[in-house]
Amino acid sequence: QQQVKQSPQSLIVQKGGISIINCAYENTAFDYFPWYQQFPGKGPALLIAIRPDVSEKKEGRFTISFNKSAKQFSLHIMDSQPGDSATYFCAVPPHTNDYKLSFGAGTTVTVRA
Amino acid sequence: GAGVSQTPSNKVTEKGKYVELRCDPISGHTALYWYRQSLGQGPEFLIYFQGTGAADDSGLPNDRFFAVRPEGSVSTLKIQRTERGDSAVYLCASSLLPVAEQFFGPGTRLTVL
Repeated sequence: QQQVKQSPQSLIVQKGGISIINCAYENTAFDYFPWYQQFPGKGPALLIAIRPDVSEKKEGRFTISFNKSAKQFSLHIMDSQPGDSATYFCAVPPHTNDYKLSFGAGTTVTVRA
Repeated sequence: GAGVSQTPSNKVTEKGKYVELRCDPISGHTALYWYRQSLGQGPEFLIYFQGTGAADDSGLPNDRFFAVRPEGSVSTLKIQRTERGDSAVYLCASSLLPVAEQFFGPGTRLTVL
């Protein structure tokens, strides 16, 4: 599997602030980049995904920015809320013709009220 | 049900025992994936099914691990001669098509004593 580098490992943000998580990858055969949100004791839930015929996708307070040449993409959480406190994973499709996702190590976000 | 379901939610077993973990994917989803998530890490790919056949089992750590999907719907992950290092959360995901958005179940937490 390819290496996916996610940073930071954790972050603390005040309510109303902006959380930014970054992800870098090596190569991929498919243009599809999802972010997953995971609460303790639950499975990862698809949060937002981008197919980069565009460089940015916004859904509510969540935005993905994608830089194909740099092989990087990021998740921005605007107006962070305590309910956003969770672990966030980026995922990258394979660089070969198969279908398994490679996940980053995760970022634990804590939103302080 | 609307989502991916997994049973049991928790499984405690003794070293050397055999365990089976079950996954019931979203109805109509042809692709099914098994991942393993260790504490503080992102999910790691184990095996992928397209229909009844294992299209990619390259992530299975050794021959103690085996998975089946005999009728193209429910899948069972089987672990023989369990070891303490097998302790993790085993996640199942399904998607309508390969590479499409993968939807995860809540996972089975396996603890090998």
